[in-house]
Amino acid sequence: AQRVTQPEKLLSVFKGAPVELKCNYSYSGSPELFWYVQYSRQRLQLLLRHISRESIKGFTADLNKGETSFHLKKPFAQEEDSAMYYCALTTGGGNKLTFGTGTQLKVEL
Amino acid sequence: NAGVTQTPKFRILKIGQSMTLQCTQDMNHNYMYWYRQDPGMGLKLIYYSVGAGITDKGEVPNGYNVSRSTTEDFPLRLELAAPSQTSVYFCASSYGSGAGSEQYFGPGTRLTVT
Repeated sequence: AQRVTQPEKLLSVFKGAPVELKCNYSYSGSPELFWYVQYSRQRLQLLLRHISRESIKGFTADLNKGETSFHLKKPFAQEEDSAMYYCALTTGGGNKLTFGTGTQLKVEL
Repeated sequence: NAGVTQTPKFRILKIGQSMTLQCTQDMNHNYMYWYRQDPGMGLKLIYYSVGAGITDKGEVPNGYNVSRSTTEDFPLRLELAAPSQTSVYFCASSYGSGAGSEQYFGPGTRLTVT
């Protein structure tokens, strides 16, 4: 069965510092990976998906199949980036998401 | 568009009681999902549906039932509530499946069983 691991429950950085939220997965085939974000008092929403290879709000994530990782990165953290971030995976073109336990990002001034 | 709506927002149940969590979406999405999130954990899929009249089990279906009589509605039924079902429940919907398909989430229902 597939699994998603986010090793950090809480990540605290200063404004303007680089951010890297770690995500590792276990799956023997070709997964499809996503980052979802939940800002305070808002709903869980999609941030980005690996297939799009896009940058959203300055965040990027590259799928590394050799290291089975999909880390989320941003060069300069902003206060509004403070939120809960979840890495998620689906397989075989399906629709069942497997979520990691989430990382709370706190950006301090 | 309201997106995905869930009712109620909060509920306290006694052990053995039953209840239905309501979920409605107005985006004409084919796919709908129910997740639960326990404290400090990720979301886990309970049930999902790929269209009206079709439902299937997710990772943690025991103790729950669902139905999908219309495209818009996907209620989740708890028949005999147990303390282990204390959790936050999220409903979601998507137009399609796979890598290109974004899931849209409701605001959640916080359920406590005592």
